[in-house]
Amino acid sequence: DAGVTQSPTHLIKTRGQQVTLRCSPKSGHDTVSWYQQALGQGPQFIFQYYEEEERQRGNFPDRFSGHQFPNYSSELNVNALLLGDSALYLCASSLGRREGTQYFGPGTRLLVL
Amino acid sequence: QQQVKQSPQSLIVQKGGISIINCAYENTAFDYFPWYQQFPGKGPALLIAIRPDVSEKKEGRFTISFNKSAKQFSLHIMDSQPGDSATYFCAASMDSNYQLIWGAGTKLIIKP
Repeated sequence: DAGVTQSPTHLIKTRGQQVTLRCSPKSGHDTVSWYQQALGQGPQFIFQYYEEEERQRGNFPDRFSGHQFPNYSSELNVNALLLGDSALYLCASSLGRREGTQYFGPGTRLLVL
Repeated sequence: QQQVKQSPQSLIVQKGGISIINCAYENTAFDYFPWYQQFPGKGPALLIAIRPDVSEKKEGRFTISFNKSAKQFSLHIMDSQPGDSATYFCAASMDSNYQLIWGAGTKLIIKP
């Protein structure tokens, strides 16, 4: 049973560019959450998708957007990249019901130059 | 109110010793308190979690102690092993499937 997978593993972009990160949830899971983890810090919640809708959103600007597909996989898009967007982007999957434990993927390391 | 404060920032423990990491929160609406373990280059992995209706939960060498009145919870790792060397994060949420609010992390080193 494959766990949560993310692609790509590493990415280098320049300021002002746009980036798309991808996540496939654990088998049987229907909910995907995205987190940003800066170096040496705890993850920060970006948003959560359930039934192809954004269900919750953290304190991130509109430059951060997402999408969930009918097969429950998800994309995170970041426009107009800033140097401060350099971080590890983590995807977590869970079941949509209450008390669904969140399982994390290995993350995508984004470096903005 | 949304913060979770974690201490210490780093911890060195001898093999076989007890590792203790502490967290404090402010939001009394939090209802779920997990601990995650993260190795370099990997995503966080759930270790153990507790809800406020119990004061202690044990799974193997890992124990969570929870003090609702003090709004504090801690992770105890008994018989610490070199393989436990990792960064540990506490978190809090209003539900296990709701957005997690994370502590800043504790880098634990177990000396052989």
